[in-house]
Amino acid sequence: EPEVTQTPSHQVTQMGQEVILRCVPISNHLYFYWYRQILGQKVEFLVSFYNNEISEKSEIFDDQFSVERPDGSNFTLKIRSTKLEDSAMYFCASRDQRTGRTYGYTFGSGTRLTVV
Amino acid sequence: DAKTTQPPSMDCAEGRAANLPCNHSTISGNEYVYWYRQIHSQGPQYIIHGLKNNETNEMASLIITEDRKSSTLILPHATLRDTAVYYCPWGGANNLFFGTGTRLTVIP
Repeated sequence: EPEVTQTPSHQVTQMGQEVILRCVPISNHLYFYWYRQILGQKVEFLVSFYNNEISEKSEIFDDQFSVERPDGSNFTLKIRSTKLEDSAMYFCASRDQRTGRTYGYTFGSGTRLTVV
Repeated sequence: DAKTTQPPSMDCAEGRAANLPCNHSTISGNEYVYWYRQIHSQGPQYIIHGLKNNETNEMASLIITEDRKSSTLILPHATLRDTAVYYCPWGGANNLFFGTGTRLTVIP
């Protein structure tokens, strides 16, 4: 079964450093998403991306965050200057959408980001 | 404010049917009803979705009330591996928003 692949599985970074989280969505999917989950809390929407631009973003997704689809396969989330409160599990998701049908989101297994 | 509400926790005996309710009284006419689950810290796993009609797949059945204000996810024969947090998120075409879900514990 097709998967969304995220790398690395765990990243430790120092406060103030830039991090890039990588995702390879399912190849024929057109919609891409980032979510995060702080330990013990709910899954929070960050941003959606379609046709090489952001479709929607939440209040969490401020100027410190950016997303990019640098080639035909990767989808990245960059945090410019990490803060302690950015420590969380980050999930990438992708979705297929064709005329007349709606499909569910497929989530990756996540990247655990620890800011020290 | 959450647009879907779910009980925080439920128990189910192994082998019995698990019926998980969700209230979505403010859902709009073209919004789908989705169900996902999360086992430990893994990514949410898609289970099923529907618009108006009841749906069934290899994992579960989805019963949507006629007024679409609530739905029930049915796991027909719960196993220990079905222990997870179950979500009925809400949203539109560009996103899904997750609430706190129902923690289902399947008891041997």
